[in-house]
Amino acid sequence: NAGVMQNPRHLVRRRGQEARLRCSPMKGHSHVYWYRQLPEEGLKFMVYLQKENIIDESGMPKERFSAEFPKEGPSILRIQQVVRGDSAAYFCASSLRTSGGSFTDTQYFGPGTRLTVL
Amino acid sequence: QKEVEQNSGPLSVPEGAIASLNCTYSDRGSQSFFWYRQYSGKSPELIMSIYSNGDKEDGRFTAQLNKASQYVSLLIRDSQPSDSATYLCAVNAGNNRKLIWGLGTSLAVNP
Repeated sequence: NAGVMQNPRHLVRRRGQEARLRCSPMKGHSHVYWYRQLPEEGLKFMVYLQKENIIDESGMPKERFSAEFPKEGPSILRIQQVVRGDSAAYFCASSLRTSGGSFTDTQYFGPGTRLTVL
Repeated sequence: QKEVEQNSGPLSVPEGAIASLNCTYSDRGSQSFFWYRQYSGKSPELIMSIYSNGDKEDGRFTAQLNKASQYVSLLIRDSQPSDSATYLCAVNAGNNRKLIWGLGTSLAVNP
């Protein structure tokens, strides 16, 4: 079984450009989560999506960042007009579903996308 | 503010010893508890999940949950240098809430 897939693994952008990060969840998983991790820091939750719905975007900056998880295709995290402070590792995780106290809410992580803004 | 707290470490143990990692959480409604391991430059990898009070063993790893005291711990027996990593505790309060993450404990196993 294929795990969570993310691409690209490494992405270099110049200030002001757009970055698009893709995440394909594990087969059968309908819940996707995006996290950001700065060097030597903890995981920071950004957004939680189900197919065609944003469930919780409380961790996402209000400007320049957006996420989607269409009915068909991967989830996309989009960063417009990138700045140097956006340089980080962006991880995607997926779960079967979320129901407290069950194995179905276990999150499995992809390998991450390392974004470098020059 | 719901929180998950871990000692940042570094926790240093000799090879073959037992490493004990602890995590406390603030939300009494929490129902799911997870330990992940993260090597430098890599993504978090699930080690154990635990949902009920008591111990859960998987190989050299034992997770312990005490909901009354609001803590969850991870014991690593016969620690190996390859266990050197950051260990992340995560808690799900249920009702479609996202995981709340601790900042992680850095473990160093010395040969």
